[in-house]
Amino acid sequence: TQLLEQSPQFLSIQEGENLTVYCNSSSVFSSLQWYRQEPGEGPVLLVTVVTGGEVKKLKRLTFQFGDARKDSSLHITAAQPGDTGLYLCAGANAGNNRKLIWGLGTSLAVNP
Amino acid sequence: ETGVTQTPRHLVMGMTNKKSLKCEQHLGHNAMYWYKQSAKKPLELMFVYNFKEQTENNSVPSRFSPECPNSSHLFLHLHTLQPEDSALYLCASSQVTGTGDSPLHFGNGTRLTVT
Repeated sequence: TQLLEQSPQFLSIQEGENLTVYCNSSSVFSSLQWYRQEPGEGPVLLVTVVTGGEVKKLKRLTFQFGDARKDSSLHITAAQPGDTGLYLCAGANAGNNRKLIWGLGTSLAVNP
Repeated sequence: ETGVTQTPRHLVMGMTNKKSLKCEQHLGHNAMYWYKQSAKKPLELMFVYNFKEQTENNSVPSRFSPECPNSSHLFLHLHTLQPEDSALYLCASSQVTGTGDSPLHFGNGTRLTVT
């Protein structure tokens, strides 16, 4: 059974701090997606990473895909209250069915 | 309206009730999905429809019955549910199936409580 482990599970920080959350697996993925889910809403795609070692930036968010395509990280610089939410990673199965394997998420609270 | 719209937002039902969840997408996508989101569990894929044909049923109990009359609309009919079915039910759409190939666009979900 493929698993995606996200850490930490919960994170509460002050506005302006930096943070990194992780998404790890023993399986290889063809691509990996990061979503953010705010309270009362559905997940919204932030980024898709495809190539091993790839780094993508979205304003203050930096996403990295591991060289072996088994893990990924999300770094947020100078966090703001608007970054509060559940961050979910989902890996696409490297096999033919391309199914998405979901992590449990990191729940981030940024306090003003 | 744009995006993916789900109704109702909240639903409380008894175990003997019959109710339906509705989803509509305005994105021109060809694939639609039902997911279940429960505390302390990863998102669980329930059903996948591609061009209104069901392509995947992930061993979902028969008390959940999906219906996809066209590529823009998706329903989830519920009957004789159990309390453990209480969860957030999310509808999603994508341009193509094979969810690793194109991103999912989610609705805001229906929070279901079974009493």
